[in-house]
Amino acid sequence: AQKVTQAQTEISVVEKEDVTLDCVYETRDTTYYLFWYKQPPSGELVFLIRRNSFDEQNEISGRYSWNFQKSTSSFNFTITASQVVDSAVYFCALSEGGGANSKLTFGKGITLSVRP
Amino acid sequence: ETGVTQTPRHLVMGMTNKKSLKCEQHLGHNAMYWYKQSAKKPLELMFVYSLEERVENNSVPSRFSPECPNSSHLFLHLHTLQPEDSALYLCASSQDRLAGWGSTDTQYFGPGTRLTVL
Repeated sequence: AQKVTQAQTEISVVEKEDVTLDCVYETRDTTYYLFWYKQPPSGELVFLIRRNSFDEQNEISGRYSWNFQKSTSSFNFTITASQVVDSAVYFCALSEGGGANSKLTFGKGITLSVRP
Repeated sequence: ETGVTQTPRHLVMGMTNKKSLKCEQHLGHNAMYWYKQSAKKPLELMFVYSLEERVENNSVPSRFSPECPNSSHLFLHLHTLQPEDSALYLCASSQDRLAGWGSTDTQYFGPGTRLTVL
């Protein structure tokens, strides 16, 4: 069965600090997809990134970067030079490679607070 | 309007009331989902629709009744709810054409309906 673990529950940083949000996943499939979503106080889950299991290249998008390591089953998310607007709950999610029983499984989320 | 919209944004209802939550997606997607998000719990998938057909019901009590009249609209009809049903209800859509649960395409979420059952 698939599982996503976000061991950190709450992180508080001061603006301009870098912060890394950890995500560890479990799956028996060789084909799977990993996601990160951001949930600001307004409630909507905002899609950030989708990666498939065959693409281990790290990705950078502005101040955001993702480190995918299959060897440790981790898909960590780093925010560089954090800003107050980054304050939100961040969810990592996993979907196995299609078929009748695949579904999107979310971790419990990490609450990030960025103080001015 | 773009993306996924949900109405109402906030709803307070008594246990004997009947109400409906509405979701509309403007992305041309084929699949739509209802999730429940309670405090301190992971998101729980409730229902999945693909091409207007219900693909699966994740053991959700019958006091929750979904309806998908077309690929752009999804409703969640509520009746005789319990206080423990108070939560944020999120709708999502994806491009997937699903035979079962299976979702590998990105799901895009609406802003949610904050439901309080008194």
